[in-house]
Amino acid sequence: NAGVTQTPKFQVLKTGQSMTLQCAQDMNHEYMSWYRQDPGMGLRLIHYSVGAGITDQGEVPNGYNVSRSTTEDFPLRLLSAAPSQTSVYFCASSPRTVNPYEQYFGPGTRLTVT
Amino acid sequence: QQQVKQSPQSLIVQKGGISIINCAYENTAFDYFPWYQQFPGKGPALLIAIRPDVSEKKEGRFTISFNKSAKQFSLHIMDSQPGDSATYFCAAGGGGGFKTIFGAGTRLFVKA
Repeated sequence: NAGVTQTPKFQVLKTGQSMTLQCAQDMNHEYMSWYRQDPGMGLRLIHYSVGAGITDQGEVPNGYNVSRSTTEDFPLRLLSAAPSQTSVYFCASSPRTVNPYEQYFGPGTRLTVT
Repeated sequence: QQQVKQSPQSLIVQKGGISIINCAYENTAFDYFPWYQQFPGKGPALLIAIRPDVSEKKEGRFTISFNKSAKQFSLHIMDSQPGDSATYFCAAGGGGGFKTIFGAGTRLFVKA
Protein backbone atom coordinates (compact mmCIF):
# COMPACT_ATOMS: atom_id res chain seq x y z
CA ASN A 1 0.00 0.00 0.00
CA ALA A 2 1.21 3.48 -0.88
CA GLY A 3 -0.91 4.96 1.92
CA VAL A 4 -1.75 8.65 1.42
CA THR A 5 -0.05 10.34 -1.52
CA GLN A 6 0.02 14.05 -2.33
CA THR A 7 1.13 15.93 -5.42
CA PRO A 8 2.92 18.17 -6.03
CA LYS A 9 5.53 18.26 -3.25
CA PHE A 10 6.35 21.91 -3.91
CA GLN A 11 4.50 24.67 -5.74
CA VAL A 12 5.02 28.39 -6.28
CA LEU A 13 2.03 30.47 -7.38
CA LYS A 14 1.51 34.11 -8.18
CA THR A 15 -1.26 35.99 -6.40
CA GLY A 16 -4.57 35.39 -8.14
CA GLN A 17 -3.62 32.10 -9.78
CA SER A 18 -5.66 28.97 -9.13
CA MET A 19 -4.48 25.40 -8.68
CA THR A 20 -5.49 21.99 -7.37
CA LEU A 21 -3.60 20.02 -4.75
CA GLN A 22 -4.06 16.32 -5.30
CA CYS A 23 -4.59 13.71 -2.57
CA ALA A 24 -5.18 10.00 -2.97
CA GLN A 25 -5.34 7.05 -0.57
CA ASP A 26 -5.41 3.33 -1.26
CA MET A 27 -6.59 2.13 2.17
CA ASN A 28 -10.32 2.37 1.40
CA HIS A 29 -10.75 4.91 4.20
CA GLU A 30 -14.08 6.70 4.35
CA TYR A 31 -12.83 9.84 6.08
CA MET A 32 -10.45 12.31 4.45
CA SER A 33 -9.29 15.76 5.55
CA TRP A 34 -7.16 18.68 4.47
CA TYR A 35 -5.06 20.61 6.99
CA ARG A 36 -2.68 23.51 6.72
CA GLN A 37 0.37 23.80 8.94
CA ASP A 38 1.79 27.19 9.83
CA PRO A 39 4.61 27.90 12.33
CA GLY A 40 3.30 28.12 15.90
CA MET A 41 -0.27 27.28 14.89
CA GLY A 42 -0.27 23.52 14.65
CA LEU A 43 -2.52 21.86 12.12
CA ARG A 44 -5.75 23.59 11.20
CA LEU A 45 -8.59 21.78 9.46
CA ILE A 46 -9.63 23.28 6.12
CA HIS A 47 -12.25 20.84 4.79
CA TYR A 48 -13.14 17.24 5.43
CA SER A 49 -15.22 14.45 3.94
CA VAL A 50 -16.93 11.50 5.60
CA GLY A 51 -17.53 9.69 2.32
CA ALA A 52 -17.87 10.06 -1.43
CA GLY A 53 -20.18 12.95 -2.25
CA ILE A 54 -20.11 14.38 1.29
CA THR A 55 -17.90 17.30 2.32
CA ASP A 56 -17.97 19.88 5.09
CA GLN A 57 -16.04 22.91 6.26
CA GLY A 58 -13.36 22.91 8.94
CA GLU A 59 -11.81 25.79 10.88
CA VAL A 60 -10.30 27.75 7.97
CA PRO A 61 -12.28 27.00 4.77
CA ASN A 62 -12.24 30.44 3.11
CA GLY A 63 -10.47 30.49 -0.26
CA TYR A 64 -10.56 26.71 -0.68
CA ASN A 65 -12.91 24.29 -2.42
CA VAL A 66 -13.15 20.52 -2.22
CA SER A 67 -15.12 17.73 -3.81
CA ARG A 68 -15.11 13.97 -3.29
CA SER A 69 -16.34 11.97 -6.26
CA THR A 70 -14.54 8.74 -5.29
CA THR A 71 -13.43 7.12 -2.02
CA GLU A 72 -9.80 7.34 -3.10
CA ASP A 73 -9.40 10.98 -4.14
CA PHE A 74 -9.92 14.26 -2.31
CA PRO A 75 -8.52 17.25 -4.25
CA LEU A 76 -8.18 20.71 -2.71
CA ARG A 77 -8.70 23.71 -4.99
CA LEU A 78 -7.33 27.17 -4.39
CA LEU A 79 -9.64 29.50 -6.23
CA SER A 80 -7.52 32.69 -6.30
CA ALA A 81 -4.25 32.29 -4.44
CA ALA A 82 -3.25 34.87 -1.83
CA PRO A 83 0.05 35.28 0.08
CA SER A 84 -1.84 34.30 3.27
CA GLN A 85 -2.25 30.83 1.76
CA THR A 86 1.51 30.23 1.83
CA SER A 87 1.71 27.14 4.00
CA VAL A 88 2.36 23.41 4.11
CA TYR A 89 -0.76 21.43 3.25
CA PHE A 90 -1.41 17.93 4.54
CA CYS A 91 -4.05 15.47 3.48
CA ALA A 92 -5.13 12.75 5.93
CA SER A 93 -7.42 9.75 5.88
CA SER A 94 -8.96 7.53 8.55
CA PRO A 95 -11.17 4.45 8.68
CA ARG A 96 -14.75 5.09 9.83
CA THR A 97 -15.38 1.68 11.31
CA VAL A 98 -12.08 1.01 13.13
CA ASN A 99 -11.18 4.41 14.57
CA PRO A 100 -12.16 7.55 12.66
CA TYR A 101 -9.79 9.68 14.76
CA GLU A 102 -6.64 7.67 13.96
CA GLN A 103 -5.50 9.67 10.97
CA TYR A 104 -2.90 8.75 8.39
CA PHE A 105 -1.15 11.76 6.88
CA GLY A 106 0.41 12.28 3.49
CA PRO A 107 3.90 13.79 3.03
CA GLY A 108 2.58 17.31 2.44
CA THR A 109 2.67 19.99 -0.26
CA ARG A 110 4.70 23.12 0.42
CA LEU A 111 2.96 26.06 -1.28
CA THR A 112 4.41 29.55 -1.68
CA VAL A 113 2.26 32.38 -3.02
CA THR A 114 4.15 35.47 -4.18
CA GLN B 1 -14.61 26.91 22.48
CA GLN B 2 -12.69 24.02 20.95
CA GLN B 3 -9.06 24.75 21.77
CA VAL B 4 -6.12 22.59 22.71
CA LYS B 5 -3.26 24.44 24.41
CA GLN B 6 0.17 22.84 24.26
CA SER B 7 3.36 23.68 26.13
CA PRO B 8 6.26 24.18 25.93
CA GLN B 9 6.84 25.46 22.39
CA SER B 10 10.33 23.98 22.39
CA LEU B 11 12.25 21.63 24.62
CA ILE B 12 15.89 20.60 24.89
CA VAL B 13 16.66 17.40 26.80
CA GLN B 14 19.87 15.49 27.41
CA LYS B 15 20.13 11.98 26.03
CA GLY B 16 18.71 9.57 28.59
CA GLY B 17 16.53 12.23 30.21
CA ILE B 18 12.75 12.50 30.42
CA SER B 19 10.89 14.74 27.98
CA ILE B 20 7.51 16.05 29.17
CA ILE B 21 4.99 17.87 27.00
CA ASN B 22 1.70 19.14 28.38
CA CYS B 23 -1.70 19.83 26.84
CA ALA B 24 -4.99 21.22 28.10
CA TYR B 25 -8.37 21.08 26.43
CA GLU B 26 -11.69 22.84 26.98
CA ASN B 27 -14.42 20.75 25.38
CA THR B 28 -15.48 18.00 27.79
CA ALA B 29 -17.16 16.16 24.91
CA PHE B 30 -13.76 15.13 23.52
CA ASP B 31 -13.13 11.42 24.04
CA TYR B 32 -9.99 10.64 22.07
CA PHE B 33 -6.59 12.19 22.75
CA PRO B 34 -3.79 11.27 20.32
CA TRP B 35 -0.19 12.39 20.10
CA TYR B 36 1.46 12.75 16.71
CA GLN B 37 5.18 12.82 15.92
CA GLN B 38 6.49 14.74 12.92
CA PHE B 39 10.00 14.66 11.47
CA PRO B 40 11.21 17.50 9.21
CA GLY B 41 9.80 17.24 5.70
CA LYS B 42 7.35 14.49 6.65
CA GLY B 43 3.69 14.28 7.58
CA PRO B 44 2.63 13.71 11.20
CA ALA B 45 2.38 10.08 12.31
CA LEU B 46 0.26 8.74 15.15
CA LEU B 47 2.49 7.92 18.13
CA ILE B 48 0.14 6.97 20.97
CA ALA B 49 -3.43 7.78 22.00
CA ILE B 50 -5.67 7.54 25.05
CA ARG B 51 -9.36 7.60 25.87
CA PRO B 52 -10.61 9.32 29.06
CA ASP B 53 -11.65 6.08 30.79
CA VAL B 54 -8.00 5.41 31.75
CA SER B 55 -5.50 7.67 33.52
CA GLU B 56 -2.34 6.35 31.89
CA LYS B 57 -1.24 4.49 28.79
CA LYS B 58 2.28 3.25 28.13
CA GLU B 59 3.83 2.06 24.88
CA GLY B 60 7.54 1.39 25.15
CA ARG B 61 9.28 4.60 26.21
CA PHE B 62 6.19 6.72 25.56
CA THR B 63 3.52 7.30 28.23
CA ILE B 64 0.38 9.42 28.19
CA SER B 65 -0.91 10.66 31.54
CA PHE B 66 -4.52 11.85 31.56
CA ASN B 67 -6.28 13.97 34.19
CA LYS B 68 -9.97 14.18 33.31
CA SER B 69 -10.98 16.54 36.14
CA ALA B 70 -8.25 19.03 35.22
CA LYS B 71 -8.84 18.55 31.47
CA GLN B 72 -5.13 18.00 30.96
CA PHE B 73 -2.97 15.30 29.45
CA SER B 74 0.75 14.94 28.93
CA LEU B 75 3.31 12.93 26.99
CA HIS B 76 6.35 11.54 28.79
CA ILE B 77 9.29 10.22 26.77
CA MET B 78 11.53 8.15 29.00
CA ASP B 79 15.23 7.62 28.21
CA SER B 80 15.03 10.24 25.46
CA GLN B 81 17.21 9.56 22.41
CA PRO B 82 18.55 11.83 19.66
CA GLY B 83 16.26 9.95 17.25
CA ASP B 84 13.29 11.31 19.23
CA SER B 85 14.15 14.83 18.06
CA ALA B 86 10.99 15.90 16.22
CA THR B 87 7.89 18.04 16.57
CA TYR B 88 5.14 16.58 18.74
CA PHE B 89 1.48 17.53 18.47
CA CYS B 90 -1.24 16.71 20.95
CA ALA B 91 -4.81 16.60 19.70
CA ALA B 92 -8.36 16.05 20.86
CA GLY B 93 -11.30 14.63 19.00
CA GLY B 94 -14.47 12.63 19.26
CA GLY B 95 -17.57 13.48 21.22
CA GLY B 96 -19.85 12.71 18.32
CA GLY B 97 -18.16 15.02 15.84
CA PHE B 98 -15.49 14.07 13.35
CA LYS B 99 -13.15 17.03 13.80
CA THR B 100 -9.78 16.70 15.54
CA ILE B 101 -8.30 19.82 17.11
CA PHE B 102 -4.51 20.02 17.26
CA GLY B 103 -2.21 21.81 19.68
CA ALA B 104 0.40 24.23 18.33
CA GLY B 105 3.24 21.69 18.58
CA THR B 106 6.44 21.23 20.61
CA ARG B 107 9.85 21.03 18.96
CA LEU B 108 11.94 18.54 20.91
CA PHE B 109 15.70 18.39 20.59
CA VAL B 110 17.58 15.62 22.38
CA LYS B 111 21.26 16.38 22.86
CA ALA B 112 23.67 13.48 22.43
